[in-house]
Amino acid sequence: GENVEQHPSTLSVQEGDSAVIKCTYSDSASNYFPWYKQELGKGPQLIIDIRSNVGEKKDQRIAVTLNKTAKHFSLHITETQPEDSAVYFCAASTAGGSYIPTFGRGTSLIVHP
Amino acid sequence: NAGVTQTPKFRVLKTGQSMTLLCAQDMNHEYMYWYRQDPGMGLRLIHYSVGEGTTAKGEVPDGYNVSRLKKQNFLLGLESAAPSQTSVYFCASKQRGNSYEQYFGPGTRLTVT
Repeated sequence: GENVEQHPSTLSVQEGDSAVIKCTYSDSASNYFPWYKQELGKGPQLIIDIRSNVGEKKDQRIAVTLNKTAKHFSLHITETQPEDSAVYFCAASTAGGSYIPTFGRGTSLIVHP
Repeated sequence: NAGVTQTPKFRVLKTGQSMTLLCAQDMNHEYMYWYRQDPGMGLRLIHYSVGEGTTAKGEVPDGYNVSRLKKQNFLLGLESAAPSQTSVYFCASKQRGNSYEQYFGPGTRLTVT
């Protein structure tokens, strides 16, 4: 089955800095890669996703890049703000059929004012 | 539109007791999922359902049972709780088709003493 590794487990940055979270996956058949943000005491919420036919996708201050050859994808947050502090999860899956994503273990991002 | 709701929010059980966690969604989604979240372990899939009347095992199904008698509800049961089942439980739902976003509930924090 799919295995997703996520690094780092904790990331501490100063407000205004950039933050990068990296994930690797094992199953070359995976073609859909979402990122979820979990604020304290809440359930995860999708913030951005990318499909395997695209190398990069941006949405304001967040972007995701995908390298299918190396089987890794990354989340980039620019100009970080204190409200970006949360746990971020990556996931990998095969789009279609019984959609069963495999999640990484999460990264706790702390943005210091 | 309440989205995904979970009942109860908190619960303390003694070893050997039973309980049922209720997940309800009002988005007419076909797919529903139960995850557990433990520190440093990410989200692990317990059971899932691809439609009313269907259920399937996920990564960590032992000690849990589920039922999907109505499309909008997905119940997770613990017949004989164990301390190893102390966790935060999240329910999620997804619509059928090419949209792969999972919508998560707020979670249930369960402690088994």
